[in-house]
Amino acid sequence: DAKTTQPNSMESNEEEPVHLPCNHSTISGTDYIHWYRQLPSQGPEYVIHGLTSNVNNRMASLAIAEDRKSSTLILHRATLRDAAVYYCILRDLRSYGGSQGNLIFGKGTKLSVKP
Amino acid sequence: GAVVSQHPSRVICKSGTSVKIECRSLDFQATTMFWYRQFPKQSLMLMATSNEGSKATYEQGVEKDKFLINHASLTLSTLTVTSAHPEDSSFYICSASPHGAEAFFGQGTRLTVV
Repeated sequence: DAKTTQPNSMESNEEEPVHLPCNHSTISGTDYIHWYRQLPSQGPEYVIHGLTSNVNNRMASLAIAEDRKSSTLILHRATLRDAAVYYCILRDLRSYGGSQGNLIFGKGTKLSVKP
Repeated sequence: GAVVSQHPSRVICKSGTSVKIECRSLDFQATTMFWYRQFPKQSLMLMATSNEGSKATYEQGVEKDKFLINHASLTLSTLTVTSAHPEDSSFYICSASPHGAEAFFGQGTRLTVV
């Protein structure tokens, strides 16, 4: 899976939007962009994923650049519970569900939310 | 969403003893499960891939005789840390993907070897 680059840390104020960037300049055509987050002392949880078009779900939005070399995870209104490490991960579609389906975690972005 | 449950969530053991960690998929069948390890302030690192009915596949540098993996059913994989030492103290996490795209993780097991 191709590599991603994220800032080490970001800060946000509660109830304000947060934009978490991710660069993936070596992304291939079959790579999906996945975001997971890990709350303190917990296992990671899925946030969102997409291929080319922007995606929205109840947790967040994912904005994908036209050339797919970068993406941004958007939390529309940060809460204290959103303080976590956010991981941007590329996954090849062909690896889904099989023995190659593990995730390769980078260092992620540690998001702090101030009340 | 699907549920992956790990047990125990926290364990303290004496050096030289063995510890078993269970990972269960509660509402789906998982032919493949993944075991990760996470040291403090570091990211998750894949240790091994657990395959139902066959031998696990270990990542380079992970001792298969020390970290025994058993995946005897479609809903249960176990990781046994044998002859544990303080350097094995870590956060162990399992995951599985019922549909393919989305991975579900257990809540993790904090192992402390004293």
